[in-house]
This record gives sequence, C-alpha cells and structure tokens, in this order.
Amino acid sequence: KQEVTQIPAALSVPEGENLVLNCSFTDSAIYNLQWFRQDPGKGLTSLLLIQSSQREQTSGRLNASLDKSSGRSTLYIAASQPGDSATYLCAVPPSGSARQLTFGSGTQLTVLP
Amino acid sequence: EAGVVQSPRYKIIEKKQPVAFWCNPISGHNTLYWYRQNLGQGPELLIRYENEEAVDDSQLPKDRFSAERLKGVDSTLKIQPAELGDSAVYLCASSPSSYEQYFGPGTRLTVT
Repeated sequence: KQEVTQIPAALSVPEGENLVLNCSFTDSAIYNLQWFRQDPGKGLTSLLLIQSSQREQTSGRLNASLDKSSGRSTLYIAASQPGDSATYLCAVPPSGSARQLTFGSGTQLTVLP
Repeated sequence: EAGVVQSPRYKIIEKKQPVAFWCNPISGHNTLYWYRQNLGQGPELLIRYENEEAVDDSQLPKDRFSAERLKGVDSTLKIQPAELGDSAVYLCASSPSSYEQYFGPGTRLTVT
C-alpha cells in the first residue's frame, strides 16, 4: 500500500527566503507525482506534475524534483512571498494504478511579511 | 474554461439526517473523483468514475454512502444516515485523458 509522508507539517519563514518542502513515498513504482496548493476553505490547485521519466519540473518560482529510486520529491519555492502562504500537498498514484492519487497530509506554509 | 463546480459549499445537518452533494466536472473530462478530506489530512479517494461507470468504489462506505453519475457528466454523492464522523470536506475532481486532476472548491459538511 502506497504511503505518502510530508515533512515538515508546518513551516513559517520570512518573506524573500528560499524554501524546500519534502515528500516521501513508500512504493517507487509510480507513474507520476503531483504537487498541489490548497488555500483555507478552498479546493486543491495543481502546481506541478512530474512524469516518472522526468527528474524535475519548473513553473515560475516553483521547482519540483523527483527521485523515484529513493522515493522522494522536493518542492523548491524561490523568493517566497506572503501570497505563497497555503498548504502544499504532494500526491502519487497508489501501487498499480495510474489514475488515482494517494495524498500526503501536507505542509502548512506561512510566509511572514 | 469553467472549473469543477460543487454545491452546496457548506452544509450543517443533524446526525441521522440524509445529505447530498452535487458535482459538475469540467466539460469533456471523462474521469470523475469524489474525495473526503478530514481536518489536517490529505484527501482520501471515495469513488472514481470513468464516464458513467464506477471503476473503483472500494473506499466508499456502502452501508450509508451512495453515488451516481448520470449520463457520464454530473455526479451526486449521498450519505444516509449521516454520522458525526462524516464531518469533513467532500471534494470532487475531474480529469481528461491525461493524469492531471482538477479539483472543485469542496463541500464542507458539519454533522451535529
């Protein structure tokens, strides 16, 4: 059974700092990995999707890396802004599936002005 | 492009009462998901539809939960009767032929 862990559970940083969020998963036979953002009281917004054949994906100030062999992914946020404050979740398909997702519990990020 | 639409956004009911949630996916998305998200946790899949067929409902508590997706478009998730432990956010997501999922804003259910 695929299990996803995110560390830390919460993170508070001053504005402008670069930061890294971590995600680990137990079954490395994944099709892809997604990072989502969730604002309070809102649904999830997809940030980045990394295919299993890729090692990283970039979108603006966000960079996500994937190391399948070690079962890890990181989300790097450059020059953080107060608007980046949200919960960040990573998700991978469960073992043997491509179209479903198993989520971590998320990292709650607060960027202080 | 309109996103995934869910209603209601909030619902408060007493235990043992029935409740229903509605989801309208993004046009053209064949795959539809219902997730439940407890406070401080990530979403957990309840059921997945491919068009009008439920292809994975192994996590759906079938004694009280039911779902349908008529004509392979809109979907309804029902709980009858609701229990205190059902309080959570119920999220609907849809997906095109790719694997990326698009989520609606969710319905926050409070059972008192």
